[in-house]
Amino acid sequence: EIVLTQSPGTLSLSPGERATLSCRASQSVSSYLAWYQQKPGQAPRLLIYDASNRATGIPARFSGSGSGTDFTLTISSLEPEDFAVYYCQQRINWPSTFGQGTKLEIK
Amino acid sequence: EVQLVETGGGLIQPGGSLTLSCAASGFTVGSNYMSWVSQAPGKGLQWVSVIYSGGATYYADSVKGRFTISKDNSKNTLYLQMNSLRAEDTAVYYCAGHPRKYYFDYWGQGALVTVSA
Repeated sequence: EIVLTQSPGTLSLSPGERATLSCRASQSVSSYLAWYQQKPGQAPRLLIYDASNRATGIPARFSGSGSGTDFTLTISSLEPEDFAVYYCQQRINWPSTFGQGTKLEIK
Repeated sequence: EVQLVETGGGLIQPGGSLTLSCAASGFTVGSNYMSWVSQAPGKGLQWVSVIYSGGATYYADSVKGRFTISKDNSKNTLYLQMNSLRAEDTAVYYCAGHPRKYYFDYWGQGALVTVSA
């Protein structure tokens, strides 16, 4: 099973700042990695797939990069609605696995 | 607009059985991959099971032999039969539709399953 490790566990930033979230895989997942956003009491929402492609309707301030074992989700300028928990997910094989999440909180 | 609506959650005793349903609209269950993803209270996401458009199924090791995923294309509905339930199965269970095959584009609102005596 591929283990995804996200860092940091919690990120405290202010609106307007840039956020950089990391996801590291225990073995190569090529570019088969996605990012999800989850707000309290809501289902997750797909943001990025195949490491760098924005899903439908996702604002351009969200971008993804990386391949192999190291991936990054960047939010260029934080909006109030961006404060949430973010998960990465790999799809190179089953079982698909998620990272443990990064909580992005308002500083 | 795609809607996935889960039903069937509730309180069940350890060792009991429960079946979750996920009714889809605006999305064809039979033509797409469909998964169940769980989230224990205050915890992260865990993939549970997938069923391919052709009917092939895969399971997480933690539920293999106890859970069964299935679908009824005529009803456009996904199911998760859960047997021999354990306290550690307590979670919100989301159904997810993935037209991109391996990424979870569409999610239901979740159904809470609580396994407790």
